[in-house]
Amino acid sequence: NAGVTQTPKFRVLKTGQSMTLLCAQDMNHEYMYWYRQDPGMGLRLIHYSVGEGTTAKGEVPDGYNVSRLKKQNFLLGLESAAPSQTSVYFCASSQGQGPNEQFFGPGTRLTVL
Amino acid sequence: GQSLEQPSEVTAVEGAIVQINCTYQTSGFYGLSWYQQHDGGAPTFLSYNALDGLEETGRFSSFLSRSDSYGYLLLQELQMKDSASYFCAVNTGGFKTIFGAGTRLFVKA
Repeated sequence: NAGVTQTPKFRVLKTGQSMTLLCAQDMNHEYMYWYRQDPGMGLRLIHYSVGEGTTAKGEVPDGYNVSRLKKQNFLLGLESAAPSQTSVYFCASSQGQGPNEQFFGPGTRLTVL
Repeated sequence: GQSLEQPSEVTAVEGAIVQINCTYQTSGFYGLSWYQQHDGGAPTFLSYNALDGLEETGRFSSFLSRSDSYGYLLLQELQMKDSASYFCAVNTGGFKTIFGAGTRLFVKA
């Protein structure tokens, strides 16, 4: 089992460019999440999904869109990147029961110039 | 608003015991989790408390007091490999999770 995988691992964008980050999980989890992590601010929830075809806003959704067309995949899109979106992005998944232990991917380091 | 407060840094000596506190103020509460993250790595789940009391998992224990909106992570017999950041996280409902800013633990020889 690969667990949670993310592509790409690194990316540099220019302001105004768009991109999509891909998250895939092979644990048959219902719940998936996108977080951003900035120095000194911990993990902040961008969007999450409680099942295929459903998405919901987290704490910091502005400037991002998501889609969950397949249960195993959760895509995060930046339509027009801004320097404020420079961050490390983590995807996670969980079964959505009890402790709701979240399994995280290795992260994507994004720099917007 | 919603907030989780935890110390930014803690330093301890190898073999010692260290406690990392977390106080929270959230609109909903279904449980308190702890995650560990090494530099450059992904967060990994350590423990979970939904009810008051102490949960023990090997060298790590976690405590919760819902009436005080407070919890802590206790690490015993510290090892160098325990040097990492530790995050408390609250499940606020609907499996939406709010994370604290993290506590960086330095373990010295």
